[in-house]
Amino acid sequence: GIQVEQSPPDLILQEGANSTLRCNFSDSVNNLQWFHQNPWGQLINLFYIPSGTKQNGRLSATTVATERYSLLYISSSQTTDSGVYFCAVLYSGYALNFGKGTSLLVTP
Amino acid sequence: DADVTQTPRNRITKTGKRIMLECSQTKGHDRMYWYRQDPGLGLRLIYYSFDVKDINKGEISDGYSVSRQAQAKFSLSLESAIPNQTALYFCATRLAGGNNEQFFGPGTRLTVL
Repeated sequence: GIQVEQSPPDLILQEGANSTLRCNFSDSVNNLQWFHQNPWGQLINLFYIPSGTKQNGRLSATTVATERYSLLYISSSQTTDSGVYFCAVLYSGYALNFGKGTSLLVTP
Repeated sequence: DADVTQTPRNRITKTGKRIMLECSQTKGHDRMYWYRQDPGLGLRLIYYSFDVKDINKGEISDGYSVSRQAQAKFSLSLESAIPNQTALYFCATRLAGGNNEQFFGPGTRLTVL
């Protein structure tokens, strides 16, 4: 099956700092989504981005499908950004394949 | 109101007990999924359903069964719960013919003692 690798696995930032999270995948995909899992375990849809660039407030994402990677940018981080960020790709047409996530802690 | 709801949100049960987790959605989506998440890992697919009459096994279906009672309802059952089924369970939906984006419920935290 497809491999989805996220880096870094862990990240600690001071409030106000910027960060870039990376997702590499091993094959062509039909879909790519970024999620934020908050400390209560809920999965929040951030982006649906099979290709191109999107922005939503302080967050933006870019997927370069031909080179099999996606980047999630977080600018001016806040403590509420803490949690785990997952990249997931739709490979076989029916289910998402998740990476292991990047655990982000933003300190005051 | 949330588009995808799951009940219960938390459940503690004992080994050998039967338990059912329920998922309902108001998004009008035809495709529904059950995933589980273990600590430190991403989600893995248990079962998926493309419509009421179409149910398929996912990557880790052993020990689980499902029922699609209606387009809006998809239940997951553990016939005889065991401790290694302790996990966070998520239901998700997607619209066929749409843009492939999946939407997740809030999750059910299950502990099997």
